Amino acid sequence: NAGVTQTPKFRVLKTGQSMTLLCAQDMNHEYMYWYRQDPGMGLRLIHYSVGEGTTAKGEVPDGYNVSRLKKQNFLLGLESAAPSQTSVYFCASSFTLLVNEQFFGPGTRLTVL
Amino acid sequence: GESVGLHLPTLSVQEGDNSIINCAYSNSASDYFIWYKQESGKGPQFIIDIRSNMDKRQGQRVTVLLNKTVKHLSLQIAATQPGDSAVYFCAEKEYNNNDMRFGAGTRLTVKP
Repeated sequence: NAGVTQTPKFRVLKTGQSMTLLCAQDMNHEYMYWYRQDPGMGLRLIHYSVGEGTTAKGEVPDGYNVSRLKKQNFLLGLESAAPSQTSVYFCASSFTLLVNEQFFGPGTRLTVL
Repeated sequence: GESVGLHLPTLSVQEGDNSIINCAYSNSASDYFIWYKQESGKGPQFIIDIRSNMDKRQGQRVTVLLNKTVKHLSLQIAATQPGDSAVYFCAEKEYNNNDMRFGAGTRLTVKP
């Protein structure tokens, strides 16, 4: 049981490049989330999904897109990376909305030059 | 706007002592308050939560206290161990809302 895994662990992009972060969970959770974590700040929700085929915006969605084609996977895309998107990205999942425990992946450190 | 914040960014305690990590919140509509622990290089890990209609909840070596009058939340760790060294985040959430708002975090360092 791997829990929540994220690919890649590290990535360096140039401004304007695109990339996709992959999150996978093997706990059969319905809800999945993408957060970003910046120095001295807590996690901020980018997008989330309440089930396969659904996505919704969080607190800071601009510049990102997501897709949930399969229940176990949640993809975060950056179409045209900007230096302001330099951050550590965390994926999380939870069984239901009513449960406060979210299970987090190990994070992806992204640097945009 | 309303936010979740922390009184102190760092806390250093001696191994075996009790730790108290504080958090102030301002959203009166929050239904749940949650504590997460983040060890270096890892994702956050759920510790404990408390519903807004409670003022105290205990877990294994941890106690969360909620004071709605002054909008204050605290996490008490008993007999702090080196493995407790981490950044602790408080978060708040409304019942039917997916958006869990996190505070900036407090770094707890346990001295041997």
